[in-house]
Amino acid sequence: KNQVEQSPQSLIILEGKNCTLQCNYTVSPFSNLRWYKQDTGRGPVSLTIMTFSENTKSNGRYTATLDADTKQSSLHITASQLSDSASYICVVTLNFGNEKLTFGTGTRLTIIP
Amino acid sequence: KAGVTQTPRYLIKTRGQQVTLSCSPISGHRSVSWYQQTPGQGLQFLFEYFSETQRNKGNFPGRFSGRQFSNSRSEMNVSTLELGDSALYLCASSLTAGALRETQYFGPGTRLLVL
Repeated sequence: KNQVEQSPQSLIILEGKNCTLQCNYTVSPFSNLRWYKQDTGRGPVSLTIMTFSENTKSNGRYTATLDADTKQSSLHITASQLSDSASYICVVTLNFGNEKLTFGTGTRLTIIP
Repeated sequence: KAGVTQTPRYLIKTRGQQVTLSCSPISGHRSVSWYQQTPGQGLQFLFEYFSETQRNKGNFPGRFSGRQFSNSRSEMNVSTLELGDSALYLCASSLTAGALRETQYFGPGTRLLVL
């Protein structure tokens, strides 16, 4: 079982609508959690980084939330645009003294006009 | 400021061969990390270099190795290629040694196909 689970696997929404992507993790000790956006054929782009003490962080129309008690994070996209069509990847950094990244499998978001 | 560059962008090799991929970080960035991305496994962390030293390493066999030069440029080498090594190899740079705690900037990747 993957230690970072993302849901849904894929999502299709109409342009202008809002959506929320979920990330549940089981790993610990936790250093930080990141959300990346990856367009097809390109490298990921960082959207947000949150430490365990932060519970929300925004980047334009993207807002990430984190509940360290329930080990859940969400990425909320407001007023979606066609350019939001991409894969969104949740990444948890563990800290065992040296650090280790654990990646979610991603959510494929498609915005239709 | 130029972004992270990776060369080559595409590569075709045969099983048993070796390959070297190159990554030039953003000017001023001293940390370089490498990742493998496949449809089946998603993104996986290979290793991270800072000041020519490997700081973190993922769970990959010894066939995967890397190094970093004094100008922060990095190379990744895969020896005795296997079909399963076909993937997009991504390089990311960040400013300091805390690469896994700060924003990383990714390059476009090198797509490797092993036949």
